[in-house]
Amino acid sequence: EPEVTQTPSHQVTQMGQEVILRCVPISNHLYFYWYRQILGQKVEFLVSFYNNEISEKSEIFDDQFSVERPDGSNFTLKIRSTKLEDSAMYFCASSVVSGGITDTQYFGPGTRLTVL
Amino acid sequence: QKEVEQDPGPLSVPEGAIVSLNCTYSNSAFQYFMWYRQYSRKGPELLMYTYSSGNKEDGRFTAQVDKSSKYISLFIRDSQPSDSATYLCAMTPSGGSYIPTFGRGTSLIVHP
Repeated sequence: EPEVTQTPSHQVTQMGQEVILRCVPISNHLYFYWYRQILGQKVEFLVSFYNNEISEKSEIFDDQFSVERPDGSNFTLKIRSTKLEDSAMYFCASSVVSGGITDTQYFGPGTRLTVL
Repeated sequence: QKEVEQDPGPLSVPEGAIVSLNCTYSNSAFQYFMWYRQYSRKGPELLMYTYSSGNKEDGRFTAQVDKSSKYISLFIRDSQPSDSATYLCAMTPSGGSYIPTFGRGTSLIVHP
C-alpha cells in the first residue's frame, strides 16, 4: 500500500541553525501539507501546497518557514533559523485532491525535531 | 475557551469493553467531524468522518455527533489490544477551507 515517507525520523539541531525536513508524498497525490505537534499538544496545521504554490497557511507559518517541491517526488519544509519553540513532531500529509472532507489526507510517520 | 476540547486520558479498559471517546467544541460553524487514530511513532490515520448531526457506523466503530450540544463521540465495541492508540477528533466548517482543527487526542489502552 502506498504511503507517505519522511526523513529524517529525528533531527537534532542547534538554535539558529537551518533545517530541512523532507517528505515523499504518495505518487498520484496533488495536495501536500505540513502539520506540527508539540509534545503533549494538538496537531496544528502549518501549510498546504498545490500546483507549486502555497494554497493556505496558518499563523504559525511565518517568514522563518518555507516549502518547496524541488522535484517530482520530494516536498520539503525549511526552517531558516530554528528556535527552541520549534521543537515538535512535524507531519507531512498528502491527498489526491482537496475538494472536500471526503478527500482523505494520508499522514507520514513524522520527523521529530529537537532544537537545543 | 479552546475550539476543540478532548480529555487526554489515558483511558485504560479491559479487552472486550465498550469504549467511549468524546470531544466538545465551541465553533458552531463546524460541520464535518472526523476521528483519527494515531499509533505510537506513526502519523494520524483517518478512521471515519460524519457530516452534521447523527450517527455513522463502520464495523466496531460508531461516530456520533450532537450539534445542539456541540459534542461528538466515538464508540468502540468489543475493544481489542490492537485498538490501543491515541484517538484524535478533528473538525472543519463546510465550504472554504477543509483544514481540520484537532483536539489534543485521548490515549486509549486496551489490556488483555
